[in-house]
Amino acid sequence: GIQVEQSPPDLILQEGANSTLRCNFSDSVNNLQWFHQNPWGQLINLFYIPSGTKQNGRLSATTVATERYSLLYISSSQTTDSGVYFCAVSGGSYIPTFGRGTSLIVHP
Amino acid sequence: EAGVTQFPSHSVIEKGQTVTLRCDPISGHDNLYWYRRVMGKEIKFLLHFVKESKQDESGMPNNRFLAERTGGTYSTLKVQPAELEDSGVYFCASSTRIASSPLHFGNGTRLTVT
Repeated sequence: GIQVEQSPPDLILQEGANSTLRCNFSDSVNNLQWFHQNPWGQLINLFYIPSGTKQNGRLSATTVATERYSLLYISSSQTTDSGVYFCAVSGGSYIPTFGRGTSLIVHP
Repeated sequence: EAGVTQFPSHSVIEKGQTVTLRCDPISGHDNLYWYRRVMGKEIKFLLHFVKESKQDESGMPNNRFLAERTGGTYSTLKVQPAELEDSGVYFCASSTRIASSPLHFGNGTRLTVT
């Protein structure tokens, strides 16, 4: 199956800092999504971004499909950004597959 | 449109008991997936339905897990008998097409087996 690697596995920030999370994948994909699992365990869809760049408030994402990676940018981080960030990819006959996630803690 | 709904949101059961989780996908979504996240670990695929047919159940951990999708609408995931290692958050997702359409997730069911 397709391999999905996320980095870094853990990230600790002070409120107001910026960060970049990365998702590498091993094959061509038709779909890539970024999710945030909040402290209540819910998976919140952040971006559907098989290619290109999108922005939503303090968050933005870029996927370079030809180079098989995606980046999630968090600017001016807030404590409410804490949680685990997952990317999930699918393509061809691949079942949507998640990376192991990046655990983010934002301190006040 | 209504999103993916899962019921119950939480379930606490004793080892050996049976639990049934339910997922109602977005209307018109043929693809339905079950995933789970065991404490602190990655989100693992369990199985995939296309309408009422099981397309891929390679992620089902063992025969204590049984999934059904009645008439291609809602789906149930039964765990019988539950073991301690079954604790975790069970997510359901639906989509219109497998390869290129986004997944829509429910809020998950947090299962605790004591």
